[in-house]
This record gives sequence, structure tokens and C-alpha cells, in this order.
Amino acid sequence: GQQLNQSPQSMFIQEGEDVSMNCTSSSIFNTWLWYKQEPGEGPVLLIALYKAGELTSNGRLTAQFGITRKDSFLNISASIPSDVGIYFCAGQEETSGSRLTFGEGTQLTVNP
Amino acid sequence: NAGVTQTPKFRVLKTGQSMTLLCAQDMNHEYMYWYRQDPGMGLRLIHYSVGEGTTAKGEVPDGYNVSRLKKQNFLLGLESAAPSQTSVYFCASSYSEGKNIQYFGAGTRLSVL
Repeated sequence: GQQLNQSPQSMFIQEGEDVSMNCTSSSIFNTWLWYKQEPGEGPVLLIALYKAGELTSNGRLTAQFGITRKDSFLNISASIPSDVGIYFCAGQEETSGSRLTFGEGTQLTVNP
Repeated sequence: NAGVTQTPKFRVLKTGQSMTLLCAQDMNHEYMYWYRQDPGMGLRLIHYSVGEGTTAKGEVPDGYNVSRLKKQNFLLGLESAAPSQTSVYFCASSYSEGKNIQYFGAGTRLSVL
């Protein structure tokens, strides 16, 4: 089946640092979504991307839909302790109907 | 706004027991999904539904059954639980196939002993 490679698997950073993570797929996607999951909760949508090359921001978060349509990137600027959590990318292929494929997640730890 | 509500939040079963997980959404969404989440494996789709009365298999359907008798509810059943089904289960719903933003419940933590 479809494979999504998300990296890095984990990050340990100091408060105030910038963070970058990315996802790559083996096939073309028409939608990329980025979610955040906090302990004991379900994933919550951060950013949705629908066009190749699209760059979208949500506060300190910025995500991009890669021009090859096989990758996406999420950046967090000036991290704060409440950014701690697991960040997931998810993609939708044109032929997959309503199904999403999820990456394995990036566990982010922010040290005050 | 309740969004997506899952019950129960926690459950412990013995091998061979059966149970049903309930998912309810109040957003009038057509599409509903059941995922399981295991450490280091992200979210894997078990079954999904594209509308009332429909169900379809996802990536890991074995050992599970589902029903969507009402648009707002999606039930996940385990007929004979196995330790390999110990996991966190998430339900999600979405409005359309096109801009497919899925909204998640808080999860059900299931342990099978």
C-alpha cells in the first residue's frame, strides 16, 4: 500500500528554536494535511494544503505542498513549551476516494 | 459543540470477549472512519463509511466489523478480542471527499488481556 515517510521521528529542542519536519510519499497526492496530537487526545488539524507549491501559515506554523506533489513540509518558528506533542502528516491520493494515509508522526519535545 | 464523541474512553477485555465501540458525530458529515494507533505506526484505517448504510474495508480490517445504521453513528465491533487488538482506537468524520479534512474523537484505549 501507500507509504508515507515522515522525518524526523523525534526532536528534542530548546524553547525559542525553530523546527522543521517533512513527509514524502511514493505517489502523487492531491491533498496534504498536518495534524497535532497531544497526550490523551485525538489529532487536531493544523493546516490543510490543496495545491502544489501552496504555502500556508497558521500563527507560528507554516506548511508547504511540494511542487512534485510527493512531499510536504511543516515549520514551527520560535517554539514554546505548549508545542509539545506528536505531529502527523496525512495525504490523500486522487484514486483513494476519501481515505487518508498518515505518516508515523514526529514526537516534539521542547525544553523550557 | 460536541464534534466527534467516542464511548467508552477506556476498556479492559479478556481474550475472547466481545465489545462495541460507539462513535457519534453532530456535524452532519457523510464520511466516517475507524483507525487504530499503535506506537511508532501512526494511524491505520480499519473500516470506513461513505454514507448511511455503507461500509468498506480499510488497511487493517481483520477481526473487526462495523455498522452505519444512522448517519451520525458509526459502530466498531470486536467479536472475539485478541491481545493483538490492544490499541488506541480513533473515530473520525469528514464532510466531503474533495477537501477531506477529518475531525477526530478523543479515542478509546483498549487493553485485551
